[in-house]
Parts: sequence; structure tokens; C-alpha cells
Amino acid sequence: ILNVEQSPQSLHVQEGDSTNFTCSFPSSNFYALHWYRWETAKSPEALFVMTLNGDEKKKGRISATLNTKEGYSYLYIKGSQPEDSATYLCAWGTYKYIFGTGTRLKVLA
Amino acid sequence: GAGVSQTPSNKVTEKGKYVELRCDPISGHTALYWYRQSLGQGPEFLIYFQGTGAADDSGLPNDRFFAVRPEGSVSTLKIQRTERGDSAVYLCASSPIQGAADTQYFGPGTRLTVL
Repeated sequence: ILNVEQSPQSLHVQEGDSTNFTCSFPSSNFYALHWYRWETAKSPEALFVMTLNGDEKKKGRISATLNTKEGYSYLYIKGSQPEDSATYLCAWGTYKYIFGTGTRLKVLA
Repeated sequence: GAGVSQTPSNKVTEKGKYVELRCDPISGHTALYWYRQSLGQGPEFLIYFQGTGAADDSGLPNDRFFAVRPEGSVSTLKIQRTERGDSAVYLCASSPIQGAADTQYFGPGTRLTVL
């Protein structure tokens, strides 16, 4: 069974703190790894598509790295703001995404 | 431009009833996907359309679930004889073409509650 796991399941941080989450996926037959941010009552928003081992992508205060050989990706948020509060999902696979259960982030003002 | 839209945003129905969930993809996107997120889980793949045809329906849980995309644009997910276990958020996504590295753009979902 192909499994994608995310940790932690949830966390609370203070405004201004930096934080990071992990996505673990099968290391064999890698295709692509996607990160999404999903705020309540909104559409999941695509953050990054990562395809190459060693990839590092950045969007504002958010960045992500990829290690396909060991099967993990990290998402980093620098200087967390209340508007970063959301569930962060990673998805692995081809057109048939296999999602993790997400990391629910709450940034306290 | 307009993103993926889904209607209704919420649907409450009784066990045994029939429901239809609608998805309007981004204009020009040939690939369309349905996923389902049950409580405490990540979204799970249901079905993928390329144009009008269902290219992969391996994620549909049983024959009570059916989806169509007759003109290659709007798609409808149909659930017959609903059960309480069908309660979930149903997400639709579209992409310009189909490929592992192609981003899927999601709608806000339809929250289905079966009483």
C-alpha cells in the first residue's frame, strides 16, 4: 500500500516564529511532489511542484526541499503570520494524487 | 481568471436519497479530477477525466457512485442510495493536461452530510 505521511498532525506557533513540517512518501518510482495550503472554506491553493532530487523552491516566506532518495520533503515557514494559519497538504504520485492527512497550523497573534 | 467552482457548497440529505454534485473546471482545462476527503483523512482519488471520457475510475468506492462529463467541461458526480459513510467533502480539480508534474487546481469542495 502506497502511503504518504505528514507530521506533525497539528501545531500552534506564536507570530514571528519559524516552523517546518515533514512529508514522507515512497522513495521508489518518484513522479512529483506537490504542496498545497488549504484555508477553511476556500479552495486548496497550490504552493509548489517538486520533481528533482535536491529541489528547493521558495515563495515569499515559504520554502520547500525535496529528497527523493530517502522519500521526504520539508516545508518551512519563516516568521509565521496569523494569515499562514491553514492546513498544509502534500500530494505524491502521477495524475492520481496520494495525499497525506495534512498538518494543521495555527499562528497565534 | 475564474477558478474551479463547485455547487452546492453544502448538501444535507437523508440516507437512501440521490445526490448530484457539480464541478465547473477552469476554461480550457482538458483534465478533471474528483477526490473525496473524509473526516481525519487526506483527500482520496475517485475518478479522472480526459476530455469527455473517464480515463481512470478506479477510485470510485462502489457502483452507487458515477460521474459524467458529457461535453468535456462541466462534470457531475452522482451518488445513488446515499449512506452515512458517504458524508465527506468532495473536491474537484482541473489541469491543462495530464502529467505527474502538472498542478491540479482545486475548487472549494462540496460538503455532503448524509443523515
